[in-house]
Amino acid sequence: QVQLQESGPGLVKPSETLSLTCSVSGDSMTGYYWNWIRQPAGKGLEWIGRIYTSGSTYYNPSLKSRVTMSIDTSKKQFSLEMSSVTAADTALYFCARQKAVAGDPFDYWGQGNLVTVSS
Amino acid sequence: DIQMTQSPSSLSASVGDRVTITCRASQTISRYLNWYQWRPGRAPKLLIYAASSLQSGVPSRFSGSGSGSEFTLTISSLQPEDYATYYCQQSYTLPHTFGQGTKLEIK
Repeated sequence: QVQLQESGPGLVKPSETLSLTCSVSGDSMTGYYWNWIRQPAGKGLEWIGRIYTSGSTYYNPSLKSRVTMSIDTSKKQFSLEMSSVTAADTALYFCARQKAVAGDPFDYWGQGNLVTVSS
Repeated sequence: DIQMTQSPSSLSASVGDRVTITCRASQTISRYLNWYQWRPGRAPKLLIYAASSLQSGVPSRFSGSGSGSEFTLTISSLQPEDYATYYCQQSYTLPHTFGQGTKLEIK
């Protein structure tokens, strides 16, 4: 059974950097894209970006200047950093798996990590 | 970016009802359309991929149809565990984009 679990601080101060990690269990990381997706309160889902097991990344252009993703396949983890956060970055952050085949969906997700940006 | 528009944004229905949710893309996306179910506190769940393929383990009362720019998700007979928010998502191109969600509530 594939499982993804987000972890990280629930509270981040404005202008600081948000850092989250997703731990993967139940399958190899090879052959998949590893994604971050967020849901601000009362709003829809926003795709943040993805990282492949090689380390190659694609970020949503709307967030690209502030986002960095990394991956450690030996630990079966991948991470998100978002710099210069504001209240608009307050959201439930999900990690999700996507097979590295064009057009494939997000087949497994974590339960989400709520991050509040506040002083 | 491709804009995804779902309708309705909310829906009240009774157990046993047939429910249809529509998703429209701002341009053609072939059949690269996926549907997810989300209940608070749980991981979102993939229901339908490639417009009409049922994900393994998902009950057959869920079905999807459509191609090009208009798609539907149908639940043939609502069950209590189906009360949730449903999202469509295009995987035709990057950045991936989602509909705004349809919240299905008990009538």
